[in-house]
Amino acid sequence: DVKVTQSSRYLVKRTGEKVFLECVQDMDHENMFWYRQDPGLGLRLIYFSYDVKMKEKGDIPEGYSVSREKKERFSLILESASTNQTSMYLCASSTRRGAGSPLHFGNGTRLTVT
Amino acid sequence: AQSVAQPEDQVNVAEGNPLTVKCTYSVSGNPYLFWYVQYPNRGLQFLLKYITGDNLVKGSYGFEAEFNKSQTSFHLKKPSALVSDSALYFCAVREGNTDKLIFGTGTRLQVFP
Repeated sequence: DVKVTQSSRYLVKRTGEKVFLECVQDMDHENMFWYRQDPGLGLRLIYFSYDVKMKEKGDIPEGYSVSREKKERFSLILESASTNQTSMYLCASSTRRGAGSPLHFGNGTRLTVT
Repeated sequence: AQSVAQPEDQVNVAEGNPLTVKCTYSVSGNPYLFWYVQYPNRGLQFLLKYITGDNLVKGSYGFEAEFNKSQTSFHLKKPSALVSDSALYFCAVREGNTDKLIFGTGTRLQVFP
């Protein structure tokens, strides 16, 4: 079974802090994703990576950056946290082998910025 | 632009009754469609997908979905609901020829004993 592990379940940070959210997958997947989930808005894609050191902006990249130095790890960085970044953050991975491969999600990190 | 719509924020059903969670899509070309379920304080779990072939797709936990090209719909169904099916359900469509998914806003399913 694919395992996607997000390092923190809950985080509380102050406005202006630099925040790192870490995600590791154990299935040698090429693709990794960061989504944020907000009530009534569903999931929105922040960033996508299809290979080591490769990244692509999603629908809402402003205020975020990412890092993928190793295939199994994909980090989301909030450069200067703001209260409107309070949300549930979901990491996912998928393989590029085969058409329509589903995304496999971690359990999420609930971030509160005060 | 590709999109999916889930017209119902919440669906209530009695245990043992059939359930349907609705999804409509808008894509150019042939759609790749997915259903996911999210239990409280958990990530999303993959239920089933449609890529091609039989319009009725069977998935995990007894769920199935029917692809209807003329109505651009992909409704999730189960013949007999369980209380444990209570969760948040998301429909998704592949974005173009990429590996990215576009998600709907979610439908909360509540199954009452």
